[in-house]
Amino acid sequence: AQSVTQLDSQVPVFEEAPVELRCNYSSSVSVYLFWYVQYPNQGLQLLLKYLSGSTLVKGINGFEAEFNKSQTSFHLRKPSVHISDTAEYFCAVSIRGGADGLTFGKGTHLIIQP
Amino acid sequence: ETGVTQSPTHLIKTRGQQVTLRCSSQSGHNTVSWYQQALGQGPQFIFQYYREEENGRGNFPPRFSGLQFPNYSSELNVNALELDDSALYLCASSPRTSGGASYNEQFFGPGTRLTVL
Repeated sequence: AQSVTQLDSQVPVFEEAPVELRCNYSSSVSVYLFWYVQYPNQGLQLLLKYLSGSTLVKGINGFEAEFNKSQTSFHLRKPSVHISDTAEYFCAVSIRGGADGLTFGKGTHLIIQP
Repeated sequence: ETGVTQSPTHLIKTRGQQVTLRCSSQSGHNTVSWYQQALGQGPQFIFQYYREEENGRGNFPPRFSGLQFPNYSSELNVNALELDDSALYLCASSPRTSGGASYNEQFFGPGTRLTVL
């Protein structure tokens, strides 16, 4: 079975500062990797995904993530955050070729301080 | 293009009762997945439906069941409700392409907040 660990439950950052949200995964088979964002009282929205190819993936709202197979990591980064980035961020994996759904981490609450 | 919609938005039930939650998938999407998100946790996969049949299931007991209709909309039914069933229930739809169910982006609805007293 696969699992996802998000190492930080909360990350406070000042506005316009860079941020990195950490994600590590465990799986005995190849996986696809995703980052989702959840704003208060809303469903989840896809930020970016890694399926294959270049290990640096660019997503919406200026976010990017890098897949590191040797470290089984998929950390999310943004060079300069905005107040509107305050939200819950979830890392998720799915098994290549599998019918199962996404396995999510517990989430990281990004808090932007003015 | 209409996104994923869910009804109702909020629901209060008592222990032992049964509940039905509904989901309309995004236009053109033939696969529907259901997730349970407890407070402060990430979503947990309940099951997935494709062509009106269950196509994968997470670690949930049989009292969690579902249906998918010919128009790809779906229902989640939970029998014999327990206090721990209180959660946000999320529905997600996705297209089924040659890459397989796991390959495609899942589009989430806003969820149904279920409270069991």
